[in-house]
Amino acid sequence: QVQLEESGGGVVQPGSSLRLSCAASGFTFSRYGMHWVRQAPGKGLEWVAVIWYDGNYKHYADSVKGRFIISRDNSKNTLYLQMNSLRAEDTAVYYCARDVGVGHLDYWGQGTLVTVSS
Amino acid sequence: EMLMTQSPATLSVSPGERATLSCRASQSVHSNLAWYQQKPGQAPRLLIYGASTRATGIPARFSGSGSGTEFTLTISGLQSEDFAVYYCQHYNNWPPMYTFGQGTKLEIK
Repeated sequence: QVQLEESGGGVVQPGSSLRLSCAASGFTFSRYGMHWVRQAPGKGLEWVAVIWYDGNYKHYADSVKGRFIISRDNSKNTLYLQMNSLRAEDTAVYYCARDVGVGHLDYWGQGTLVTVSS
Repeated sequence: EMLMTQSPATLSVSPGERATLSCRASQSVHSNLAWYQQKPGQAPRLLIYGASTRATGIPARFSGSGSGTEFTLTISGLQSEDFAVYYCQHYNNWPPMYTFGQGTKLEIK
């Protein structure tokens, strides 16, 4: 069955960097676009970034543009999110999710918590 | 900028009754609208896509309707496991646009 497992979260100081990973299994990873979506504590869902199936197109929310980089390694069935210049407002659970093909998200990981605090 | 506005913020309904949740887009999204359910401590789950198509394994008591700027998620015969937070999402791969509403919390009355 389809599984997505995030890792790499933790507590970091403002201004630092962190890389999240999302290991995919149970489907042909290289055929699907992938997204990162985050959720601040007690808040709603916020879309963060998308990468197309072949990695040739990426798009970001304005709130993270220029600081975060989404990437993938189809040979390792893994999605990444490199987060730089982290701010307190980046504190959230970060989910990876599979794009069915037109933009809605049919499978989600369980999330990894990133806390940015001094 | 696309804005998705959900109403009400909280909805109190008794088990067995019907719940009607609304989602309004600031401009037409055609039928590029999905609904997700999220329970505490869990990841969101896709319920509806294309405004009205149930995702795999979703019970028939969940139905979606609407197009353009006004959308509705209806849950008939509410069961205990349906009390959760529901999000609508506009999606479009080109130009890329993925916007969530702020959510509606469905609670037991």
